[in-house]
Amino acid sequence: KQEVTQIPAALSVPEGENLVLNCSFTDSAIYNLQWFRQDPGKGLTSLLLIQSSQREQTSGRLNASLDKSSGRSTLYIAASQPGDSATYLCAVHLMNRDDKIIFGKGTRLHILP
Amino acid sequence: KAGVTQTPRYLIKTRGQQVTLSCSPISGHRSVSWYQQTPGQGLQFLFEYFSETQRNKGNFPGRFSGRQFSNSRSEMNVSTLELGDSALYLCASSLAGSRAYEQYFGPGTRLTVT
Repeated sequence: KQEVTQIPAALSVPEGENLVLNCSFTDSAIYNLQWFRQDPGKGLTSLLLIQSSQREQTSGRLNASLDKSSGRSTLYIAASQPGDSATYLCAVHLMNRDDKIIFGKGTRLHILP
Repeated sequence: KAGVTQTPRYLIKTRGQQVTLSCSPISGHRSVSWYQQTPGQGLQFLFEYFSETQRNKGNFPGRFSGRQFSNSRSEMNVSTLELGDSALYLCASSLAGSRAYEQYFGPGTRLTVT
């Protein structure tokens, strides 16, 4: 059974620091992995989508990597800002007959001004 | 381009009733997925529709159903509501399916069952 784990569950860092969020998954047979952010009481905002054939994707201060063989993805945030405070979720789309999307429980990030 | 819209935003129902939620995808998107989010279980996949056909589904009872119309708008129905169905219901659209394309989420419908 595919499991998606995000550690830590919560993280507080001072403004300006670079940080890494982790996502691990147990089944490497995936179509893709997507990172989202969710602000309290709101829907999800797509950050980056990495196809299974790709190793990384970049958008502005964000860089996401994917290592299928080890079942890991990282989201790197450079020069963090208070506006980056949110819950960050990763999701994998399974390639097997289940063909469904599994989300991690998220990392709640707080950037200290 | 307008984003994904969901109606209603908030809903209060009593046990045993049924409810229908609506989702309008981004213009040009042909795939709509539905998710349930609760504090205990997190985000769980319900089902995905593409070109009016259900492509796949998660592990939810048959009380949860959906459909997609020819204009790609989608509805989700929950019959015989239970207290545990209280949740934020999110829909997401993608250009041609979540296997290859980014998903864009709506703001959600907050359902409270009393």
